[in-house]
Amino acid sequence: GAVVSQHPSWVICKSGTSVKIECRSLDFQATTMFWYRQFPKQSLMLMATSNEGSKATYEQGVEKDKFLINHASLTLSTLTVTSAHPEDSSFYICSAGGGGSAAGANVLTFGAGSRLTVL
Amino acid sequence: QQQVKQSPQSLIVQKGGISIINCAYENTAFDYFPWYQQFPGKGPALLIAIRPDVSEKKEGRFTISFNKSAKQFSLHIMDSQPGDSATYFCAASRGGGAGSYQLTFGKGTKLSVIP
Repeated sequence: GAVVSQHPSWVICKSGTSVKIECRSLDFQATTMFWYRQFPKQSLMLMATSNEGSKATYEQGVEKDKFLINHASLTLSTLTVTSAHPEDSSFYICSAGGGGSAAGANVLTFGAGSRLTVL
Repeated sequence: QQQVKQSPQSLIVQKGGISIINCAYENTAFDYFPWYQQFPGKGPALLIAIRPDVSEKKEGRFTISFNKSAKQFSLHIMDSQPGDSATYFCAASRGGGAGSYQLTFGKGTKLSVIP
């Protein structure tokens, strides 16, 4: 089945530094990738949608200069948290579309998530 | 405005019992309704999904019931096991076609199955 690899699974960084999280679709081409943020015991909050070769579409309230998203190929999207601060500490999850076996299936495959802790 | 309402927020079920989680949606353009299972510290995993042209879909112990007129759908877990203890999210998307992947999630239900 479709597999999405997310790396790193956890990262600790100092305040003011930047952190890059990678999301790869391993066995399918992902035309669309999504980035979510999840706080403890809460649902997934969509941050942005990225389509290969074009600029990401950010949800209202998400700072695009803070959360840089690049979708350079059909198998890789990256999220860079720039100048991270403690309030950016969260669980970040990516998902990729295009891994469905049926034509037109809206199948999203999620990565395992990345736990970011900013000290 | 929350487009997908999920209840209950938490659920405790005895081993062997039936777990039922309900969701209601508002947007009649939604045409794909998946359920995701998430364990602590992990990403969500697709459990089962349904489209509005059927009223029920069953995969093993998991069944989705879909009521188009009421705009409601539910997840039933038969013979619930402690290993089913996780957070379950219902979701919905619209548009059909290969490019329509954006999901609207419910707030989640934390299921605890006790021995």
